[in-house]
Amino acid sequence: NAGVTQTPKFRILKIGQSMTLQCTQDMNHNYMYWYRQDPGMGLKLIYYSVGAGITDKGEVPNGYNVSRSTTEDFPLRLELAAPSQTSVYFCASGAGGYNEQFFGPGTRLTVL
Amino acid sequence: AQSVTQLDSQVPVFEEAPVELRCNYSSSVSVYLFWYVQYPNQGLQLLLKYLSGSTLVESINGFEAEFNKSQTSFHLRKPSVHISDTAEYFCAVSGNTGGFKTIFGAGTRLFVKA
Repeated sequence: NAGVTQTPKFRILKIGQSMTLQCTQDMNHNYMYWYRQDPGMGLKLIYYSVGAGITDKGEVPNGYNVSRSTTEDFPLRLELAAPSQTSVYFCASGAGGYNEQFFGPGTRLTVL
Repeated sequence: AQSVTQLDSQVPVFEEAPVELRCNYSSSVSVYLFWYVQYPNQGLQLLLKYLSGSTLVESINGFEAEFNKSQTSFHLRKPSVHISDTAEYFCAVSGNTGGFKTIFGAGTRLFVKA
């Protein structure tokens, strides 16, 4: 099993550009999450999904969009990138409830 | 609402010394508690978790944490650290409200010196 995979690993965007961060899991988990990690701030939940076709906002959803057309994939879309979106983005999946989450290796995004 | 406070942002310690990373939480419902570890340039991975039962939980690499309901704490300890334990450690809480969303602490950077 590859677990949770994310692409790209690194990306530099100019202000106003858009991009999609890809996330795929092969563990047949219903729950998937997107977090951003900023230094000293821990992880903040951007969006999450409890199954294909169902998504919901987390703590910091502004400036992002998601979709969940399959169990495996949960892409995160950035529209009109801003410097405040410079961060490391982690995708995670899990069985939900009190089960642990499995994290991808992250995407380091810089917006200049 | 749930919250997690990790009391130390950085903990430097010499190799083979004991270490304690502190975590306090607040919640109005039953909680499930986790410690995750993040090695440099990697994603987080589960170190140990408390769901129910024995309040002392252990990991395979010598870490342990004790759930203390009266103190609302879940401190992580290791009696003798190795250089390879250098990483960032995150305490997290989940509960049966808000769809079992997990709240993460800000992290504690453990730096083990030779």
